[in-house]
Amino acid sequence: EAQVTQNPRYLITVTGKKLTVTCSQNMNHEYMSWYRQDPGLGLRQIYYSMNVEVTDKGDVPEGYKVSRKEKRNFPLILESPSPNQTSLYFCASSFPPGQGTDTQYFGPGTRLTVL
Amino acid sequence: GQNIDQPTEMTATEGAIVQINCTYQTSGFNGLFWYQQHAGEAPTFLSYNVLDGLEEKGRFSSFLSRSKGYSYLLLKELQMKDSASYLCAVMDSNYQLIWGAGTKLIIKP
Repeated sequence: EAQVTQNPRYLITVTGKKLTVTCSQNMNHEYMSWYRQDPGLGLRQIYYSMNVEVTDKGDVPEGYKVSRKEKRNFPLILESPSPNQTSLYFCASSFPPGQGTDTQYFGPGTRLTVL
Repeated sequence: GQNIDQPTEMTATEGAIVQINCTYQTSGFNGLFWYQQHAGEAPTFLSYNVLDGLEEKGRFSSFLSRSKGYSYLLLKELQMKDSASYLCAVMDSNYQLIWGAGTKLIIKP
């Protein structure tokens, strides 16, 4: 089954404790991205990756890191989480933008609470 | 700056028709998407428009006017399960997706 998986689905942590949210896709997609979703603000892109070893900042990259060592995985790292990073996070993947198959497939989401 | 506008909330009756509008101002245009998102779940793809006109897919249709920076999503024969948020997103000249805040659609019996 074609899918994007994220782990964990729910996480409560404390300020300053490093954490990683994993994302994996099995559709051989080149393009992957991370979003956060907050009430009234819609989806905001944090980072995206056009392919292995190629990552770029989105609209709200501060406080986050990513890596793309393999095509299928795109982990999101919070080195020192703060309460303003409490949010619902989605990973998404697709074929390269602009090739006519731009549908993004989303993971189930990770609800993060930073105390 | 880049901007996507859509109504915050709409209410409609089961069996009726509803139109959700989206206006956009972006740096270039490489297509407009509509996604459906049920509360607490991931968005799922509904439609993609890159040329002007109407795209019909079952009970859902999407319209685009590039000259007006305008799109709408039309939902016919509304069902209770259509209660969800509907997200409009535009791909700009850099192939980045710009998202609207979403329209929460409430269906009443």
